Amino acid sequence: AQSVTQPDIHITVSEGASLELRCNYSYGATPYLFWYVQSPGQGLQLLLKYFSGDTLVQGIKGFEAEFKRSQSSFNLRKPSVHWSDAAEYFCAVVLNTGFQKLVFGTGTRLLVSP
Amino acid sequence: DAEITQSPRHKITETGRQVTLACHQTWNHNNMFWYRQDLGHGLRLIHYSYGVQDTNKGEVSDGYSVSRSNTEDLPLTLESAASSQTSVYFCASSESNGPGDTQYFGPGTRLTVL
Repeated sequence: AQSVTQPDIHITVSEGASLELRCNYSYGATPYLFWYVQSPGQGLQLLLKYFSGDTLVQGIKGFEAEFKRSQSSFNLRKPSVHWSDAAEYFCAVVLNTGFQKLVFGTGTRLLVSP
Repeated sequence: DAEITQSPRHKITETGRQVTLACHQTWNHNNMFWYRQDLGHGLRLIHYSYGVQDTNKGEVSDGYSVSRSNTEDLPLTLESAASSQTSVYFCASSESNGPGDTQYFGPGTRLTVL
């Protein structure tokens, strides 16, 4: 079955340290890939997305993600985490079928320690 | 500014009652979506619409219905609420049908079924 896996339920990072959140997908072809962030009590906000081309994608708030076809991964990174980055992060995919059905991973909750 | 709103933000109801959650967007987007968010599952698609009078079932549509009488609104109805439908519900919209188009999310409605 098609799926998106975020293996880390929780991650704690010190403020100022680097961050990497993992995302793997299981589809035959390269899907459209997204990272969303959900701050407490809020809806989801798009951080970045990848369709094709350069495999390193820049997003908002200083985030970037790298698509690795050989590993079926689309990991999210940030070089220096700020306390305001504490939130839940969701990886999502849309198959290249022409239909806009987002399939979400189960999310990773980021905690930022002082 | 254009936006997407949901009401109510919190709702407590009893098993067997009919409940309607409202979603309203002012972007004039053609596409609208309803998701539910549960621990361990991420967000799952309930119903979606690609335009007025168009509705489609998503991954977890049993017990839910939607109707689209205008561009701005996609109300979600629980015909006979069940405790398993206790969840946080998110509405989203997007401009075009392209698989890579960004979906914009509302703030969510927390529904408790007692």
